[in-house]
Amino acid sequence: DGGITQSPKYLFRKEGQNVTLSCEQNLNHDAMYWYRQDPGQGLRLIYYSQIVNDFQKGDIAEGYSVSREKKESFPLTVTSAQKNPTAFYLCASSIFGHTLNSPLHFGNGTRLTVT
Amino acid sequence: GESVGLHLPTLSVQEGDNSIINCAYSNSASDYFIWYKQESGKGPQFIIDIRSNMDKRQGQRVTVLLNKTVKHLSLQIAATQPGDSAVYFCADLFSGGSNYKLTFGKGTLLTVNP
Repeated sequence: DGGITQSPKYLFRKEGQNVTLSCEQNLNHDAMYWYRQDPGQGLRLIYYSQIVNDFQKGDIAEGYSVSREKKESFPLTVTSAQKNPTAFYLCASSIFGHTLNSPLHFGNGTRLTVT
Repeated sequence: GESVGLHLPTLSVQEGDNSIINCAYSNSASDYFIWYKQESGKGPQFIIDIRSNMDKRQGQRVTVLLNKTVKHLSLQIAATQPGDSAVYFCADLFSGGSNYKLTFGKGTLLTVNP
């Protein structure tokens, strides 16, 4: 089945450590996205990539970094500079970026807890 | 900044009833709207979308209505089932030239009582 795979489902880290969240898609989608979901808030965009080797900052990029070396992979690194990293992180992809009739398809998320 | 909001944070219905979930958006230039369903511990699942040149679109047991005059979006679920219990949220997309903004609402928790 085609889809988006995020791993791991749960991740625990000590404060001050960088951590990388994995996102892989086999939908052959051009665009990929990282969102953060916090209780009582709508999804907030961290980074997005419309094509391999290119990515753009979203609304809350500070303290995060990404890479897009392959079409199917878009890992997110949460650095120690992120002030409040504990959250539910969602990866998504779409056939095209920034076009109509191109809904985002989401993975099942990684819940990161930093203590 | 502008945001998509929901009128009700929770909605409880009886199995078999119809459900209506509402959403207000603030950007009058938004031209594409999406409804998602999110079950506990999972990622959002695409339900249905609608473009701004339409005011109604139907899917399997779901209908989305768009009222651009009052910037209101609704999701109607017919014959609601226990498996419909989830958080539902809308998103609106503004895309103009090099500008692009997809805004998500906070969500409405739908509970279906057997």
